[in-house]
Amino acid sequence: GAVVSQHPSRVICKSGTSVKIECRSLDFQATTMFWYRQFPKQSLMLMATSNEGSKATYEQGVEKDKFLINHASLTLSTLTVTSAHPEDSSFYICSARGGFSSTEAFFGQGTRLTVV
Amino acid sequence: GQNIDQPTEMTATEGAIVQINCTYQTSGFNGLFWYQQHAGEAPTFLSYNVLDGLEEKGRFSSFLSRSKGYSYLLLKELQMKDSASYLCAVRRDSNYQLIWGAGTKLIIKP
Repeated sequence: GAVVSQHPSRVICKSGTSVKIECRSLDFQATTMFWYRQFPKQSLMLMATSNEGSKATYEQGVEKDKFLINHASLTLSTLTVTSAHPEDSSFYICSARGGFSSTEAFFGQGTRLTVV
Repeated sequence: GQNIDQPTEMTATEGAIVQINCTYQTSGFNGLFWYQQHAGEAPTFLSYNVLDGLEEKGRFSSFLSRSKGYSYLLLKELQMKDSASYLCAVRRDSNYQLIWGAGTKLIIKP
């Protein structure tokens, strides 16, 4: 199957700083990428959907000025958590669709963010 | 509203068979996915059903009944490595956005 690489896998940052998470499709062009957040023992919550070259569509309740998403190319999308606070600590996962697959979206490995 | 229900936790014995159910109520339906997720890792794709019936893939099978808003994932010959959470997700339309169930934590005992 197609490979989606997410980096970093773990990050610890101080409260008030910003963190950038990268999501890359390694062997296909991702026309659409999704960003999820998952709290312990809970399901994946969609944060936003981004299409290459256009602004991301955010889900209700997600602050677009706090979670900046850039999908500048067909192989890279980034999520920047700005002015991070401890409540932003979570598992962030990206997924991408495109290429030869007509059904599934492929997931990155996830990023465990801890804000101290 | 959108609603996907799965049992929170199930326990089964190594070598046995287990069925994980998923019921959904969504405004639109364009396929149902099952994913496996180990703790601290991203989900991995198991199956996709868009038509009624049973899809078999090795030890795993998935069933769908659109009229009943119901699916199940059947795991045979359980192995310890099958201990994980199993997530049911529904795609409502041609967009690839998924609505996720909370997941079923499956515990395999020797």
